[in-house]
Amino acid sequence: DTAVSQTPKYLVTQMGNDKSIKCEQNLGHDTMYWYKQDSKKFLKIMFSYNNKELIINETVPNRFSPKSPDKAHLNLHINSLELGDSAVYFCASSQDWGNTEAFFGQGTRLTVV
Amino acid sequence: AQSVTQLDSHVSVSEGTPVLLRCNYSSSYSPSLFWYVQHPNKGLQLLLKYTSAATLVKGINGFEAEFKKSETSFHLTKPSAHMSDAAEYFCVLTGGGNKLTFGTGTQLKVEL
Repeated sequence: DTAVSQTPKYLVTQMGNDKSIKCEQNLGHDTMYWYKQDSKKFLKIMFSYNNKELIINETVPNRFSPKSPDKAHLNLHINSLELGDSAVYFCASSQDWGNTEAFFGQGTRLTVV
Repeated sequence: AQSVTQLDSHVSVSEGTPVLLRCNYSSSYSPSLFWYVQHPNKGLQLLLKYTSAATLVKGINGFEAEFKKSETSFHLTKPSAHMSDAAEYFCVLTGGGNKLTFGTGTQLKVEL
């Protein structure tokens, strides 16, 4: 039973499209994150939510909008996709804001053509 | 400000020989440090963590790491490499908040 699951695993789309990546965790954690891994494998945080409330919003274009309908879900919507958005996006969760051990999903490989 | 430096982008070892992946950190706070492993086309898996308890930390698959405050280091070691250890390894720091700061990764290659 997957602890942090993301869908889809692969996403190929054209420039200008709008797409969503879904993330769900069944660990009962309060805190969820989105990370972006670029082509050089460098990982950087994008957003963090704690109890459905936005806590961290790094310097990310406002075309990216996270949405947390409940504590177990943190979805990522991307509008007007650009070539530079191509990357692997990882969802993660941790027990609460004070617990920094993060559990990661399998990643979503987004390719914008 | 905090940062993580992984000193080697690539490490190559023979199967059965020791592994050393180096990590140095900088943090204004008492740090928590982690090592994560990423196998090809897979997600990140936690290998081990240091959170101000014992300075020598044992993780999964025979890996361990030692926190050395005087050297601001958290190097990852394993006595004997296995082919299945070939992967990307990330040293990760957090301190003063829940934002994980990742190193740039070390690609471990294990040869027969």
